[in-house]
Order: sequence, then structure tokens, then C-alpha cells
Amino acid sequence: EADIYQTPRYLVIGTGKKITLECSQTMGHDKMYWYQQDPGMELHLIHYSYGVNSTEKGDLSSESTVSRIRTEHFPLTLESARPSHTSQYLCASSPTGSGVGAKNIQYFGAGTRLSVL
Amino acid sequence: SQQGEEDPQALSIQEGENATMNCSYKTSINNLQWYRQNSGRGLVHLILIRSNEREKHSGRLRVTLDTSKKSSSLLITASRAADTASYFCATVPFSGNTPLVFGKGTRLSVIA
Repeated sequence: EADIYQTPRYLVIGTGKKITLECSQTMGHDKMYWYQQDPGMELHLIHYSYGVNSTEKGDLSSESTVSRIRTEHFPLTLESARPSHTSQYLCASSPTGSGVGAKNIQYFGAGTRLSVL
Repeated sequence: SQQGEEDPQALSIQEGENATMNCSYKTSINNLQWYRQNSGRGLVHLILIRSNEREKHSGRLRVTLDTSKKSSSLLITASRAADTASYFCATVPFSGNTPLVFGKGTRLSVIA
């Protein structure tokens, strides 16, 4: 098992609430990612970071925001949750490295399953 | 979209049979990886094949890569019920500094 932790594992909340999904890794990886995945479906990249104070939006338009103040921590925040946000959210990290020799192997957390009523 | 496509979308086989999954992608790559996902969990990296390699083995896994056809296959030999999971291919674009591009996955069911 990879040393990457997501909390909570399950969350049921009402519409309009602000929530933060936590993701931490102890591997010293510079690169971290957030994916949204409906059960049994493809992964959609929503945010990623290549280091402290660096964040980028992914391919899927998302109403969430992220921050990267510390290398090990990459929280995802929804300011006002809606039923359309119901999904599984996966956090991943990968080691530093770029260019032709980069492997970019990603290590995933167990995920947070979010239900917005 | 740069996402790859896995084929088939779903596969059901008997224990002991071989399972073959295919992946096609669209752009030049640095490497191609296969991941496994058990129901309700995160993905786990299985095997990586570089763009200058044609075949790679790891235990019961065999991966092939054909860069001229932009395709890869994953073979699981002598499948077990515990192999039941979704399998995703993912490509690293040639520049190597952009996120992995995941395919849509193949859902494998191995019946005991």
C-alpha cells in the first residue's frame, strides 16, 4: 500500500455546505493530483500540482479549488456542494521527474466517496 | 480528448482462463502503464512499458506495445477470482512532464 491518505472515506452532506477533502502523502512526492470518478467509470483529472504554491486545473471543469502550502498536503475544497458533486474523489501523487526518462508512476489513496443530498 | 480507449469495456471469464485487454491511444508517448482498481478503492500500478520496448512480463502479466499502431495489450494468464477488478491503461506524453492520460477502463470479472 502506498503512503497516501484520504479523509474522510465516506461523506454525506446537504446541498450548500462547504466541504474540504483531505489528502496527505508521506513519500515526499512533489506531484499531486485530484481525480473525480463515478462508480465503474473513467477518471477525470480535476486539479494537479507540481510543487508548493503551484496548482493547475485539469481536463474536467470543476467548481472545486485546491491549495498546496506544504509538499505533503493537497486539500480539495467545495465552497457550496450540490447533488451533481456526488462522486468518488481520488487523490494521487508521483515522484519528481520530467523529460524523457520520467516514469510518472502515480500512487493513489483509497478515495473519498461523497454524497450530496 | 487525448484519452485512450480500452477494449473490451467489460470481460467475463472462468477461473484459469487467460484475459486479454487492449488499449489504444492518440499521441506520441514516453511510456504506457497499466493500473488495477478494486471496487470502491484507489488505483494500483501494475506494470510500465517504455516507448522503446515491445514486450514486458511481470508474474502472470504480459504487456505488449505497438507504437506504430498506438496500441497496447495486457494479458493476465491463469486468471483467479481475485483478479476481478477494473483495469486502466495510462500514457505519459512524450514530453514526460504532463499528467498521465487514463483510458476508460476494462471491467474484468473472473468467475470461480
